[in-house]
Order: sequence, then C-alpha cells, then structure tokens
Amino acid sequence: AQTVTQSQPEMSVQEAETVTLSCTYDTSESDYYLFWYKQPPSRQMILVIRQEAYKQQNATENRFSVNFQKAAKSFSLKISDSQLGDAAMYFCAYRSALQGAQKLVFGQGTRLTINP
Amino acid sequence: DSGVTQTPKHLITATGQRVTLRCSPRSGDLSVYWYQQSLDQGLQFLIQYYNGEERAKGNILERFSAQQFPDLHSELNLSSLELGDSALYFCASSGGNSNQPQHFGDGTRLSIL
Repeated sequence: AQTVTQSQPEMSVQEAETVTLSCTYDTSESDYYLFWYKQPPSRQMILVIRQEAYKQQNATENRFSVNFQKAAKSFSLKISDSQLGDAAMYFCAYRSALQGAQKLVFGQGTRLTINP
Repeated sequence: DSGVTQTPKHLITATGQRVTLRCSPRSGDLSVYWYQQSLDQGLQFLIQYYNGEERAKGNILERFSAQQFPDLHSELNLSSLELGDSALYFCASSGGNSNQPQHFGDGTRLSIL
C-alpha cells in the first residue's frame, strides 16, 4: 500500500519570504500523480498544484512550485513571496494512475503560519 | 467555488442515531469519492462511485454505506453513530479519466453528542 509522509507538522515564514514544505511517499508503482492541497481555516480543500510522475519537468502555478524527485520519492512544495492568505494546512497526496485505484492517499499535513 | 455541493454543512446528533450526507458532483463528473477527516485518523478515503457503481472501497465501517443515483448525486449513510464518528466528511468528484484531479466540496461537519 502507498503511504505519504509529511515530516513537518508546523512551519512558519515571514510574509514575502519563501518556504518549502516537505513530502515523501512510498510506492512500488511507476506511474502515479502527486498533489498538494491547501486547507484554510474555512476547512475547504483547495487543489494547489499537481504533478504527473511521468513528467520530469516540475510543475509550477504562479507562486507555487514543486521539486519532484522520483528516485528519492520526494515531492516538496515551494511557496514564493508568501502572503497572509497562504496560511493554512497543506496536505500532500498520492494517487495511482491505475484505473479503479483513484483514491487519494494523504499525508498528515503541515500547518503553515505566515508572520506579518 | 469547486462546483461540488455538500449538504448539510453541519449536523449535530446523538449516539445510536442515523444520518444521511448528500453530495452533488461538478457538472459532468462521473466519479464521486467520500473522505473522512478526523483529528486522530487524518484524511482517509472511504468509498468511490463511478457512474452509479461502486468502484473502490477504503476504510469504511460496516455501519456506513453509500450510493450514487442516476442523476449522479451521492449519499453517505452513517448508522448506529458513535462518538468517534464525529468528523468532517468530504465529498469529491472527478471526470472519467484517471488523470483528472479531484475537486472537493466544503464538507459536512458531523458532531455526535
């Protein structure tokens, strides 16, 4: 079974600075998808960014980018120019590419605090 | 707005009772997923339906059941409720292809007194 580990329960960063959230995963599959979801205090689950395992190029979405290291099974999220609205729980998630195995497997989350 | 609608937003009930949570997926999405978020277990997958049929099962208790109707909305039924069932229950939906991301509803907060 696949597992996802986020080793940083909490992180904090100064507004406008850059922060990196770590995520590692374990799988025997070669094709899969990785995601970062944001959960602000409103409790919504918001998709931040996704990465296809077969793509070597790291995904970027505006101020959010990932460092995907397939061999190391590492998938970190970098947030540049942090803003107060980035304060939230961040969850790393894995999904198999196999048909019929589309559930998301989540890490335990990292609580990100932005200091003004 | 993700386009996924969950009702009710909050539910307070007592042990031993039964409740039904409802989810309307995004327009055009055939898959519906249910997740439970609790303090001790984190976010866990419960069950997936695809176009009316059960596709995958996760850590879903026997006291829990779900279905997806012809109009693609889904219901999660929780019975013989226990204090430990208090959690945030999310519904997510996605399109038919495995490469499409899941979009989450705002969740139903279930409190068991």
